[in-house]
Amino acid sequence: QSVLTQPPSVSAAPGQKVTISCSGSSSNIGSNYVSWYQQLPGAAPKLLIYDSNKRPSGIPDRFSGSKSGTSATLGITGLQTGDEADYYCGTWDSSLSAGVFGGGTKLTVL
Amino acid sequence: EVQLLESGGGLVQPGGSLRLSCAASGFTFSSYAINWVRQAPGKGLEWVSAISDSGVYTYYADSVQGRFTVSRDNSRNTLFLQMNNLRAEDTAVYYCGRKYTNNWSMDFDYWGQGTLVTVSS
Repeated sequence: QSVLTQPPSVSAAPGQKVTISCSGSSSNIGSNYVSWYQQLPGAAPKLLIYDSNKRPSGIPDRFSGSKSGTSATLGITGLQTGDEADYYCGTWDSSLSAGVFGGGTKLTVL
Repeated sequence: EVQLLESGGGLVQPGGSLRLSCAASGFTFSSYAINWVRQAPGKGLEWVSAISDSGVYTYYADSVQGRFTVSRDNSRNTLFLQMNNLRAEDTAVYYCGRKYTNNWSMDFDYWGQGTLVTVSS
């Protein structure tokens, strides 16, 4: 049981938009920045979003992040088959003094 | 080029010990906090431990507290994870990740390729 809650799977057609939610509490998302990762099969995770809504250099603006209260959302527009991957949200939990991840969401581009 | 390279994984019996290393290059190692994150086969990411840039501050997941110890040698640009009293549920690929910002978050901009730890008799 993960501290952060993500839907197990989402799907959409190529070219469409998809959003992935990440729900937490006041001690984690509610008081700290959220990061999002993309993990392709057999590879290490790749940072997509940091500070809840910023993109590292090299990440296309098709990827966006937002946060409201104790929830965060990753948005991906112009879906491509290469976007098929597992996506994870993560943040620090101030009550646990520990890092926490969501359980991951598998994106299928139909 | 920034690189993180983990080593030290392998097969160990329950109750045994392993020491993982994470060798860093291409950046000023002593200026960055580093974290360990693991992933059990077919499962999601699990945060394990963090160490500050100086090594003074360390943090652990409840699941490893008291059994794992994180340390670093800034003169050798190397991070360590000493794992004692290993359990079957510690079986996972272990990644080291460089902390991108200085705030309380889980933003790791560079990751190693991972090293597999298998705990089994």
